Amino acid sequence: GAVVSQHPSRVICKSGTSVKIECRSLDFQATTMFWYRQFPKQSLMLMATSNEGSKATYEQGVEKDKFLINHASLTLSTLTVTSAHPEDSSFYICSALMGGGNGELFFGEGSRLTVL
Amino acid sequence: RKEVEQDPGPFNVPEGATVAFNCTYSNSASQSFFWYRQDCRKEPKLLMSVYSSGNEDGRFTAQLNRASQYISLLIRDSKLSDSATYLCVVKRGAQKLVFGQGTRLTINP
Repeated sequence: GAVVSQHPSRVICKSGTSVKIECRSLDFQATTMFWYRQFPKQSLMLMATSNEGSKATYEQGVEKDKFLINHASLTLSTLTVTSAHPEDSSFYICSALMGGGNGELFFGEGSRLTVL
Repeated sequence: RKEVEQDPGPFNVPEGATVAFNCTYSNSASQSFFWYRQDCRKEPKLLMSVYSSGNEDGRFTAQLNRASQYISLLIRDSKLSDSATYLCVVKRGAQKLVFGQGTRLTINP
């Protein structure tokens, strides 16, 4: 069964609204989670590294004020896409690191966002 | 130049065939290497890690050449269920994974 759960799996929203995606690690604590974005027929692109209890580290070119990340507990990280626009439509995937720096990375099932 | 580059594909091969994928990476400081499999509209799943000595897992064989910064995946006796996109992944630093674009494989009956 899944060790990382992501919700919602699919969301459709109107342009200008905000959407929150949750990523939960099941049965283990994850001090570090990662958020990726994948456009059709392209590779996964790391957006940010989410650290429990501290600010997220964003990759170059990713707007931190647009993609708000909160990692308030050892089992939950959230990504909020603020004022979403059609170009934000994508597949968003989270992952959680089990067992520290050399542990295996487990991925959530992904969330497909469509902004109308 | 992309940090991780893969054969663009797509590969269409008959069931039972042997197929090989190649991947190159540009960062010589990369430490760990993996092949992930991604089915359509699903999350990636770890297929196998890649070790310097080469490693095999059933019908799958992975090779790493650090000098050439080259990684390969060989699938023998391909099955219909092997149809997927195969992602070459390089670990940079303690935790960051860099994904290749992926190679789409379709196994035909």
